[in-house]
Amino acid sequence: DAKTTQPNSMESNEEEPVHLPCNHSTISGTDYIHWYRQLPSQGPEYVIHGLTSNVNNRMASLAIAEDRKSSTLILHRATLRDAAVYYCILRGVRNNTGKLIFGQGTTLQVKP
Amino acid sequence: DAGITQSPRHKVTETGTPVTLRCHQTENHRYMYWYRQDPGHGLRLIHYSYGVKDTDKGEVSDGYSVSRSKTEDFLLTLESATSSQTSVYFCAISADTLGTGELFFGEGSRLTVL
Repeated sequence: DAKTTQPNSMESNEEEPVHLPCNHSTISGTDYIHWYRQLPSQGPEYVIHGLTSNVNNRMASLAIAEDRKSSTLILHRATLRDAAVYYCILRGVRNNTGKLIFGQGTTLQVKP
Repeated sequence: DAGITQSPRHKVTETGTPVTLRCHQTENHRYMYWYRQDPGHGLRLIHYSYGVKDTDKGEVSDGYSVSRSKTEDFLLTLESATSSQTSVYFCAISADTLGTGELFFGEGSRLTVL
């Protein structure tokens, strides 16, 4: 499975946008980019995924570089509830087990 | 919320005793996973299942066994618990293995081995 690289931690102010970067320079053409987040004392939860085009949903937006070697998760207005560990993960279709391999993720701190 | 229940949610046991954690789903999803989470290591895959009686090892399977006799239940067994197996254990389920599929996680089971 291709590897992703994320900053260990980031800080944001409440109600400001947050851009969480992820590098995946060895991504293959069939790998989807997934983002999960883990709130304190909870299991991870799905945030968003994409392949080539930018994606939006009610939680966030995902901007994917044209060469697909990097992506950015965008939280448009951070709230205190968004303080969590954010994981960027590649999920390939060649691997027929569907398992996800988690890295260390980015710990997002949101200041009031 | 996906119907995933882990039990027990908290357990304290002694070294050398057997422990079984249960993951129960009501979604009829084919794929099930057991992860453990430790400070400094993040989430690591222990075992996974891709159907009834079909299981395989993950990254950190030593000391663990699993069984899946029904679609809805995936059991994780520590035959002889050790202090290094003190951790938070998460179960996850998935409907498919396509690149687009989501994993849904349970709330976790905190195991302390004294």
